[in-house]
Amino acid sequence: DAGVIQSPRHEVTEMGQEVTLRCKPISGHDYLFWYRQTMMRGLELLIYFNNNVPIDDSGMPEDRFSAKMPNASFSTLKIQPSEPRDSAVYFCASSPPWGNIQYFGAGTRLSVL
Amino acid sequence: DAKTTQPPSMDCAEGRAANLPCNHSTISGNEYVYWYRQIHSQGPQYIIHGLKNNETNEMASLIITEDRKSSTLILPHATLRDTAVYYCIVRVPDAGGTSYGKLTFGQGTILTVHP
Repeated sequence: DAGVIQSPRHEVTEMGQEVTLRCKPISGHDYLFWYRQTMMRGLELLIYFNNNVPIDDSGMPEDRFSAKMPNASFSTLKIQPSEPRDSAVYFCASSPPWGNIQYFGAGTRLSVL
Repeated sequence: DAKTTQPPSMDCAEGRAANLPCNHSTISGNEYVYWYRQIHSQGPQYIIHGLKNNETNEMASLIITEDRKSSTLILPHATLRDTAVYYCIVRVPDAGGTSYGKLTFGQGTILTVHP
């Protein structure tokens, strides 16, 4: 398996624009997590899904952020409208059923100008 | 999940053992100790986890004290590629409940391996 795949790897956009980050989890994994990493706040969980259903979105910073998982092999994290303070590295991770280990993607580095 | 305390940074000579400590004095009986690391510009990587017995895998060894209030991650023969931030995390591993899935990352220990 190729591991967790995230796209794009880098995204540069202007304030106010819509940004969509994409994630393909490892096949057979039924948990999917979105994290954000900044220098100030470190790594923080935004939301996670189980069997395509959002379980806990308490980490989503505000209504400008939304996440979907339309099927077992794809998830998106959308920011609309984007702001400079959204600049961060966004990681997606997945874990197998009853699994205790999360496998992370390489991340998407987002810069909002 | 219980909180953990780690030294902010450590150094190690290449080829020597790296011993990374973690304090988790408020750990509950059903909480496991997990270690992840993050090499620069990469996503976090799982290393090892344990409950109360010492554990070893191809990457590292985990030594947990008898009272479970602290643990040590051991990289037996550190290489330059082991330079990374190492995170010690305590959590309940089982599915179900609101805490599942929440890997709460602290600041970790920056391990620098020198030639």
